[in-house]
Amino acid sequence: GAGVSQSPSNKVTEKGKDVELRCDPISGHTALYWYRQSLGQGLEFLIYFQGNSAPDKSGLPSDRFSAERTGGSVSTLTIQRTQQEDSAVYLCASSRRTGVYEQYFGPGTRLTVT
Amino acid sequence: DAKTTQPNSMESNEEEPVHLPCNHSTISGTDYIHWYRQLPSQGPEYVIHGLTSNVNNRMASLAIAEDRKSSTLILHRATLRDAAVYYCIPGDSNYQLIWGAGTKLIIKP
Repeated sequence: GAGVSQSPSNKVTEKGKDVELRCDPISGHTALYWYRQSLGQGLEFLIYFQGNSAPDKSGLPSDRFSAERTGGSVSTLTIQRTQQEDSAVYLCASSRRTGVYEQYFGPGTRLTVT
Repeated sequence: DAKTTQPNSMESNEEEPVHLPCNHSTISGTDYIHWYRQLPSQGPEYVIHGLTSNVNNRMASLAIAEDRKSSTLILHRATLRDAAVYYCIPGDSNYQLIWGAGTKLIIKP
C-alpha cells in the first residue's frame, strides 16, 4: 500500500517568507508526527497528533511554527517569517496509534532558507 | 529520559554478521528499546523493538542484556544495502522517543 508522502521534496525560500509543508499519512493511521533533522544530527521532535485529541506542540521551537491536521488525515506544517536556522529536513511519520507501534516515515522535505 | 551511548561509526565486510551495540544504563522499567535505521537521503525506517526478551524479525535480531542496560542489534549477513545510520532509542511509547546521533554503519564490499 501507499506509504507516507510529503511535499514538496525540496523547498528553497528567502528569509522572511512563509512556507507550508504537507504530509499525507498512511490511511487509517491515527497518530502523526513531525520532526526536523539538521545535517548529521538525529531527529528533533516538533509536534504530535493523535486522533481528535489536542496536539502536543511541546517540541515546536518558536511561535513561528504551527501545524494542523485536517479530518484526521493530511497535515500541514507552517513556518512563518523563515530564518536561516530553519534550514533542515522536515520529516513526517505516522503510526497506527500511540504506544509501542512502529512509525512509518515519509521521505522528508528539505528546506533551505537563503 | 534514558540516555544512550552508541559508537559514532562502525565498519563491516559484506556478507558478514554485524553487531551494533547500545548502552542505555538509565533505562526505566517500562521503556522498550526501539531500533530504527536511516539510509542515505531517506526517512528513517523501523527495524525492531523489544522489552526484555531477545527478539527476531526478518530484518534483524535484538539481544537485550539481562539488566537491560545495554542491547545489541544483530544483522546476520550484512549487505551493501544495510549501510545506514542506526538509532537505538529507549522509550515507553513511540510518541516521545528521543533520537540521538546513532551509529553510521559502513559496509565494505
